[in-house]
Amino acid sequence: ETGVTQSPTHLIKTRGQQVTLRCSSQSGHNTVSWYQQALGQGPQFIFQYYREEENGRGNFPPRFSGLQFPNYSSELNVNALELDDSALYLCASRKPGQEYNEQFFGPGTRLTVL
Amino acid sequence: AQSVSQHNHHVILSEAASLELGCNYSYGGTVNLFWYVQYPGQHLQLLLKYFSGDPLVKGIKGFEAEFIKSKFSFNLRKPSVQWSDTAEYFCAVNARGGGFKTIFGAGTRLFVKA
Repeated sequence: ETGVTQSPTHLIKTRGQQVTLRCSSQSGHNTVSWYQQALGQGPQFIFQYYREEENGRGNFPPRFSGLQFPNYSSELNVNALELDDSALYLCASRKPGQEYNEQFFGPGTRLTVL
Repeated sequence: AQSVSQHNHHVILSEAASLELGCNYSYGGTVNLFWYVQYPGQHLQLLLKYFSGDPLVKGIKGFEAEFIKSKFSFNLRKPSVQWSDTAEYFCAVNARGGGFKTIFGAGTRLFVKA
């Protein structure tokens, strides 16, 4: 069983640029969530996708957007990058059903904004 | 708004010492509660969860946690830690019927001296 994978591993961008991060969910998982983890903090929920639609969002501005594809893989797009967007971005997938179903996390993408 | 508070940011113990990591949450409704662990160089993974029934839940590697509803707490315990328990531990909560938005605490870094 292949776990959650994310690409790229590391990324360096400058302020004002746009970035796209990618996630492949674990086999059989149709729900994907994205989190931002700043240094020394816990993961913060950005949004969740289920059946190719966003079905939950945290306190992030609209310049954070996403997509989910028919194979359940997902993208996180961030426009107009700011210095504070520097963080580890985590993707997590889960099986459909209950909210207490375990989330399986990927290794993350480390984004640095200069 | 929901929030999760972890009392200790850093804990240092000797092997065989007992461990208790505090976690309090703020939310007035019914919740699902989780402890995740991140070992050095590895992904976040689920340690244990509570969603109903016996408030004392047992997880992997000898960990357990007790849900005390009146105190809004979900403390993690282990009677005797090992060097291999060195990791970062995150408490998390989502609201029943809240659309899967999961709130994480800031994490506790545990270092176990051999």
